[in-house]
Amino acid sequence: QKEVEQDPGPLSVPEGAIVSLNCTYSNSAFQYFMWYRQYSRKGPELLMYTYSSGNKEDGRFTAQVDKSSKYISLFIRDSQPSDSATYLCAMTPPGQAGTALIFGKGTTLSVSS
Amino acid sequence: EAGVTQSPTHLIKTRGQQATLRCSPISGHTSVYWYQQALGLGLQFLLWYDEGEERNRGNFPPRFSGRQFPNYSSELNVNALELEDSALYLCASSLQKYTEAFFGQGTRLTVV
Repeated sequence: QKEVEQDPGPLSVPEGAIVSLNCTYSNSAFQYFMWYRQYSRKGPELLMYTYSSGNKEDGRFTAQVDKSSKYISLFIRDSQPSDSATYLCAMTPPGQAGTALIFGKGTTLSVSS
Repeated sequence: EAGVTQSPTHLIKTRGQQATLRCSPISGHTSVYWYQQALGLGLQFLLWYDEGEERNRGNFPPRFSGRQFPNYSSELNVNALELEDSALYLCASSLQKYTEAFFGQGTRLTVV
């Protein structure tokens, strides 16, 4: 079993839809969770960073962590064509600053106008 | 403030040659990470440097190596290039005690 599982999609939605992106993980030691957005042929851009269970909101983006289920989600409200990209989840254990992030393979999202 | 910068943007090499990729971290960041993103494989951790030392290494052969300079910039060297080394190589930096990593735009290495 891979440490981080992420549905690769592709996921296609109309503009204005609510998008839900998900990752599951197997290592209960993971406590830092991140979501990155990667446009084609570009480097990943950090979107959200969380370290506890619950929700964290930033504009149209909400990151949700459920440690009991080892499940994290990213919700995008009022999706826009500019949100079309690959979304990567990443995580790392605590107390190991600098330990490499473990990434999911990414979900490709396409938002049509 | 400048982000993580990588050079060159593109690099084409012949099998068996050596490639050198460069990375300048965000000012004040001491940790530099290298990742390989091959088509269909996701981001694979290569190397982590901090304060000039190699701190951690991913599951890659020894022909992948690098170093970090006193100004915290870093260099990734890939010797004896193989066709399978063709990928986007990403550098990221972070403050040592934090885990948020910020990525550069990558170097696309093509081995022919």
